[in-house]
Amino acid sequence: EDQVTQSPEALRLQEGESSSLNCSYTVSGLRGLFWYRQDPGKGPEFLFTLYSAGEEKEKERLKATLTKKESFLHITAPKPEDSATYLCAVQAGTGGSYIPTFGRGTSLIVHP
Amino acid sequence: DAGVIQSPRHEVTEMGQEVTLRCKPISGHDYLFWYRQTMMRGLELLIYFNNNVPIDDSGMPEDRFSAKMPNASFSTLKIQPSEPRDSAVYFCASSFLQGGDEQYFGPGTRLTVT
Repeated sequence: EDQVTQSPEALRLQEGESSSLNCSYTVSGLRGLFWYRQDPGKGPEFLFTLYSAGEEKEKERLKATLTKKESFLHITAPKPEDSATYLCAVQAGTGGSYIPTFGRGTSLIVHP
Repeated sequence: DAGVIQSPRHEVTEMGQEVTLRCKPISGHDYLFWYRQTMMRGLELLIYFNNNVPIDDSGMPEDRFSAKMPNASFSTLKIQPSEPRDSAVYFCASSFLQGGDEQYFGPGTRLTVT
């Protein structure tokens, strides 16, 4: 059974204080690992897809990296508008069914 | 494009009543997904469609839940009869790329069953 564990559950940062969110996973044949951002009262918003170990993707202050066991979402010099819940999901590459397994998320609050 | 549209945004109903949630995916997207999100279980995939055909419904909790996609621009998720434990936020998402990459989520329907 695919499993995704995100840590920490909650994170409070001061504006400008860089940090990283972790997503540890267990999956039979990783097809893709996804990062989403979710604001209160809204649906998740797609950020990145990573397919293989060593891959990195960046978007503004966010950078996602992937190893064979985990992914990190690095936030550089965060701003209050980066406050949100960040969700990680994995998708297995076997069986032909594309059901993603989501983690519980990390709630990030950035104080001005 | 207006994005994925869901209705209603909020639904309050009594136990035993039938509930129908509606979704209009982004035009041109071949995949449509229904999710449920709760504090206890997080975000769970219930069912997904490809070209209007249900592909995997293994996430549907029980026979009280059913989903249809009569055409490329409309899908429904029905709960009959509803129970208090069905209270959650239900999201619809659509995707263009094969395999469901980069899913675009709707705003969700918050369902409360009393």
